[in-house]
Amino acid sequence: GQQVMQIPQYQHVQEGEDFTTYCNSSTTLSNIQWYKQRPGGHPVFLIQLVKSGEVKKQKRLTFQFGEAKKNSSLHITATQTTDVGTYFCAGLTSGAGSYQLTFGKGTKLSVIP
Amino acid sequence: NAGVTQTPKFQVLKTGQSMTLQCAQDMNHEYMSWYRQDPGMGLRLIHYSVGAGITDQGEVPNGYNVSRSTTEDFPLRLLSAAPSQTSVYFCASSSRGRDSPLHFGNGTRLTVT
Repeated sequence: GQQVMQIPQYQHVQEGEDFTTYCNSSTTLSNIQWYKQRPGGHPVFLIQLVKSGEVKKQKRLTFQFGEAKKNSSLHITATQTTDVGTYFCAGLTSGAGSYQLTFGKGTKLSVIP
Repeated sequence: NAGVTQTPKFQVLKTGQSMTLQCAQDMNHEYMSWYRQDPGMGLRLIHYSVGAGITDQGEVPNGYNVSRSTTEDFPLRLLSAAPSQTSVYFCASSSRGRDSPLHFGNGTRLTVT
């Protein structure tokens, strides 16, 4: 079945440092979604990428979708303590009228003030 | 606008007991789903529904039942609880299915002893 690998599993950064998490799929994706889950909270949708090579920005967050639509990344510039949480990617594959959305295992970000 | 509402927030069961986790959404979303989240495992799909009267199995359906009699409600039933079902359960909905962003409830933390 489809697999979505996400690395690293954990990342500890000093406040102000940059952070990147990577997502790789075993199959070509129709789109990729990114979610953030604060400690003790629920996943919250951040963004969806659909086009090959797409780049989207949300303030200090930059999301990229690979040219082959098999990988994606989330980069945070100058982390803040409010960025703490677990970041999940979720890759969508489609075929024969059905969809499968597979979540990566997430990257847990800790920010040291 | 309440979004996705899950009850209860916490539950402790003994092995063999049954219970129902409730999920309701007020966004008129056709698609609803249940996930379980275990440490280091990400989010795994249990069951989903693309509309009232229609349900299907996800990645880890064993030991769980669902029904969808109305657009708003999607309860998850544990038939005979087992310690392996200790987890955090999230209900999620979306307007168009798995190719559109998921709105998650606040989760139910279930412990089976």
